[in-house]
Amino acid sequence: QKEVEQNSGPLSVPEGAIASLNCTYSDRVSQSFFWYRQYSGKSPELIMSIYSNGDKEDGRFTAQLNKASQYVSLLIRDSQPSDSATYLCAVLKAAGNKLTFGGGTRVLVKP
Amino acid sequence: GAVVSQHPSRVICKSGTSVKIECRSLDFQATTMFWYRQFPKKSLMLMATSNEGSKATYEQGVEKDKFLINHASLTLSTLTVTSAHPEDSSFYICSAGSGTSYEQYFGPGTRLTVT
Repeated sequence: QKEVEQNSGPLSVPEGAIASLNCTYSDRVSQSFFWYRQYSGKSPELIMSIYSNGDKEDGRFTAQLNKASQYVSLLIRDSQPSDSATYLCAVLKAAGNKLTFGGGTRVLVKP
Repeated sequence: GAVVSQHPSRVICKSGTSVKIECRSLDFQATTMFWYRQFPKKSLMLMATSNEGSKATYEQGVEKDKFLINHASLTLSTLTVTSAHPEDSSFYICSAGSGTSYEQYFGPGTRLTVT
């Protein structure tokens, strides 16, 4: 079992719709969770961080964390073609400061 | 967010030569920086953790004598790929944490091509 798992996609979403991305992690004691966006040929860009159970909203993005079920999700509302990218879920273990990344979910927003 | 720069953004070198990549935190001090490599259509692979003033910690399977890391100051870490071979061609990315949170910010990456 991978430490951080994501569906590789592609997740195809019509423009204006909601894109829903999921991520599960195996280390129950993980405390910090991050979503990064990576455009093709570019480095990852931090979108959201979440540390507590529940929802966290930032603009069109909402991160959701459920530690009991060991999953974290990202919702993208009013999806735009510019949101087409690979979204990486990253988990920070309680011990140490190394991020563990999922394989990423490729999102395609179609006009 | 915090700004991290990398130089060069792209480099082509001949097999057997060495290449140095610089990673700088521009608006904060980074006691820890991280070096990743990424192959096409693959996720990030952590190579090593670079700690200011001490030796880097390498991940399993990463040759420390081939990938030399130096973190001489709180704003600069360097990765030197020694005796590069075509299989070392990859996208190398550094990241740094500001120390005030657990968030890590990535540099723009360096695309290395070894011919």
